[in-house]
Amino acid sequence: SQQGEEDPQALSIQEGENATMNCSYKTSINNLQWYRQNSGRGLVHLILIRSNEREKHSGRLRVTLDTSKKSSSLLITASRAADTASYFCATRGSSNTGKLIFGQGTTLQVKP
Amino acid sequence: EAEVAQSPRYKITEKSQAVAFWCDPISGHATLYWYRQILGQGPELLVQFQDESVVDDSQLPKDRFSAERLKGVDSTLKIQPAELGDSAMYLCASSFQVAGVIDTQYFGPGTRLTVL
Repeated sequence: SQQGEEDPQALSIQEGENATMNCSYKTSINNLQWYRQNSGRGLVHLILIRSNEREKHSGRLRVTLDTSKKSSSLLITASRAADTASYFCATRGSSNTGKLIFGQGTTLQVKP
Repeated sequence: EAEVAQSPRYKITEKSQAVAFWCDPISGHATLYWYRQILGQGPELLVQFQDESVVDDSQLPKDRFSAERLKGVDSTLKIQPAELGDSAMYLCASSFQVAGVIDTQYFGPGTRLTVL
């Protein structure tokens, strides 16, 4: 069963524009993570935000977390064609046992 | 940079046949995961190992799927017999645990299974 819902399902932008993806979840969490997946490949960890954090940055990535609304957003600034991929949010429950529950993903296309 | 290795990368089989996938985690990673990812969806956990022990296999269809990690290092996931609905990407991931806290998961390239 999948916990998260991601919005939009697909996003197409021009190189240089910003891309924003949203993730909503249902149960309380220990942390929320974002992963990227290039077509036909494995997932690559991008960033982790803990339940007591509200915002986190890593290079061109900015992640926000609103635990009251059970939602998170991933912003990619100054997008590049190489950012074309699927992006997944994944939540880890309060027990911190390690199990991640993934959302359905957002497919991002960045046109050169 | 150390990576999670998986083989084969692609597997085509006929229904009712047996298939097996292999995963070698990053050295020192005690936790190993097998996920199934249906096209267009996010990965779903099938089984999680801590060393050689299974800690979560609640979503593993145990009538046809089995997984083992005998020496707590590499792992094998088997399907017997394969069904059409098993066509998917099978992903292996591993993570390092420090003071009881499990760190970031590192994924292998996956095995794409097609059942005909």
